[in-house]
Order: sequence, then structure tokens, then C-alpha cells
Amino acid sequence: ILNVEQSPQSLHVQEGDSTNFTCSFPSSNFYALHWYRWETAKSPEALFVMTLNGDEKKKGRISATLNTKEGYSYLYIKGSQPEDSATYLCALGGNFNKFYFGSGTKLNVKP
Amino acid sequence: EAGVTQSPTHLIKTRGQQATLRCSPISGHTSVYWYQQALGLGLQFLLWYDEGEERNRGNFPPRFSGRQFPNYSSELNVNALELEDSALYLCASSGNSDSIKTQYFGPGTRLLVL
Repeated sequence: ILNVEQSPQSLHVQEGDSTNFTCSFPSSNFYALHWYRWETAKSPEALFVMTLNGDEKKKGRISATLNTKEGYSYLYIKGSQPEDSATYLCALGGNFNKFYFGSGTKLNVKP
Repeated sequence: EAGVTQSPTHLIKTRGQQATLRCSPISGHTSVYWYQQALGLGLQFLLWYDEGEERNRGNFPPRFSGRQFPNYSSELNVNALELEDSALYLCASSGNSDSIKTQYFGPGTRLLVL
């Protein structure tokens, strides 16, 4: 079992604030790191998949970085909007297609 | 393109009964995964099916089982239900053309065991 940790557990920000959260994972035998956004009553939505140390991915106001040597990934949201309110999950992809999920960061953006 | 679908959306059972949950993957995807999210916990990997066969299994008792049909849809069966089986069950699918195997999720089935 691989331990994937996310912090903080929850976050409350005002509309327009920028925010970031962390996913930590064992750095040995790294394969891929996935970020998902999960809105209440909807399906988790794939945001990014990152495979190389130093990877940076961007989708609109959301971006992510990856450091496989020290075992962490950051997710950044610039100018948060109420529609960004969701739980953000990271998952470590490994051999045999088994994903190890963190417990998520629940973001609440107040208008 | 239709996403992953799951049925039913909600299921209420009593202890000792059996529950059957269904999943249809994205068209063209051959792999189906099942996850459990119990209250207060993260997503826990249950099962992976590919090309009709069970390929990997999480740390769950044998009363959690399933199958994958020739059209790649899948069923998850939970026998001898226990109260702690109450959870959200998510299904995901991935395609062989994706070497990274990004998993695309359905909306889930919420199982309540009374």
C-alpha cells in the first residue's frame, strides 16, 4: 500500500483569491501522478496527468507542478471562483493500473 | 461521447442481502475499475477488470466480487452485506491506447445497508 497524502484537508477562500494545495507521495518507483476535480453529486473529472520530474501542466486558471525526487505535486488555482468549489484529489498511478488516492482537499470559494 | 455510467444511483439493502452494481465504460475502453469510498475515507481500490478478466484486486474480502461482460460493461457484487459496506461505489474506465491509463469515472452508486 502506498501512502498518498494531501494537505490541507479543507480550504475556505474568498472569490478572487489564489490558492494552492499539496499532494505528497513516496518518491521511489514513481510512474504517474493524476489530479482530479470532484464536484458534489458529479463524477470525478480528470484534470492533469503528470509523469516527468519538473512537469508543469496548465488548464485555464488551474496549474500543477511535479517533483518526483522529493515526492510532491502542487495544484494552484489563480483567482478562485465559486465554481472552483470542489474536492481536489490526487492519485498515484502504478503498475497493474492500480491507483492510490489521497483523501482530497475540499475547496470552498465564497462569493 | 458518453461518459461512464452507473446504475442504480442509490441502493438500499439490509444486512445479509446481496447487492449488484452496474457500470458501462466509455465506448472503446476495455478496462473497468471499482472503488469504494466509505464515510470519512478516501477512495479505496476494489477491483480491476480488463478484457473480461480480473487483473488486480484491492484489500477487500472475497464477498466483494464482480465480472466483466463481452461488451466491457461490469458488475460489482457484494454478498452477505454488512453495515460497514455502506459507501459510495465508483466505477472508472480506461482505454488501451492510453499508456498512462488515465481513469475516467462514473457518478457512483450510493449503497446503504440497514
